Amino acid sequence: EVQLVESGGGLVQPGGSLRLSCSASGFTFSSSAMHWVRQAPGKGLEHVSAININGRNTYYTDSMKGRFTISRDNSMNTLYLQMSSLRAEDTAVYYCVKGGPYSSSYMDVWGKGTTVTVSS
Amino acid sequence: QSVLTQPPSVSAAPGQKVTISCSGSSSNIANNYVSWYQQLPGTAPKLLIYENNKRPSGIPDRFSGSKSGTSATLGITGLQTGDEADYYCGTWDSSLSAGVFGGGTKLTVL
Repeated sequence: EVQLVESGGGLVQPGGSLRLSCSASGFTFSSSAMHWVRQAPGKGLEHVSAININGRNTYYTDSMKGRFTISRDNSMNTLYLQMSSLRAEDTAVYYCVKGGPYSSSYMDVWGKGTTVTVSS
Repeated sequence: QSVLTQPPSVSAAPGQKVTISCSGSSSNIANNYVSWYQQLPGTAPKLLIYENNKRPSGIPDRFSGSKSGTSATLGITGLQTGDEADYYCGTWDSSLSAGVFGGGTKLTVL
């Protein structure tokens, strides 16, 4: 069974940092692009970042550029999102999502999400 | 403001058919595959349609997708109360080099 399990969420002060992790199992991790997608309370889905299969190509939505860094460890089947200079508007549920073979492909399996709250 | 435009809500009676539209531009829908996602209350989104009109294993054929130019449409026939959910379209935007989603459409089965 394909599984994605996020961890690392929590309460952080504005301007602080947080590192999210996503442990993947049940599929060939190194053959799938991966994504982070977030959803603010009561709002819609927002693409955060994508990374290609070997980690050499990364993509970010404009509002996250320079503050968030996506990375992956194919030997550990783990996806990461390093978040810094956090703002109140970054408060959301962050989903780890398995993609197709390319970063521009569909997103076919979603984790349950981890909640990030940015507040003083 | 979402890059892709969806109606905020649609409704129909059980057993009826409903369509949900998704409007974009040449940098996204027109030149990339469209996916549709269903998000039941309190749960993570689930892939319903990928590559414009393909259904993942386990998705009933009551759900269908189509694309024409800069727009895409999700169709649901034989509506059931269990279909009440938020539905999102998504694709890649080649100009932004990022994924983009519609604002979501809340389906109510009356």
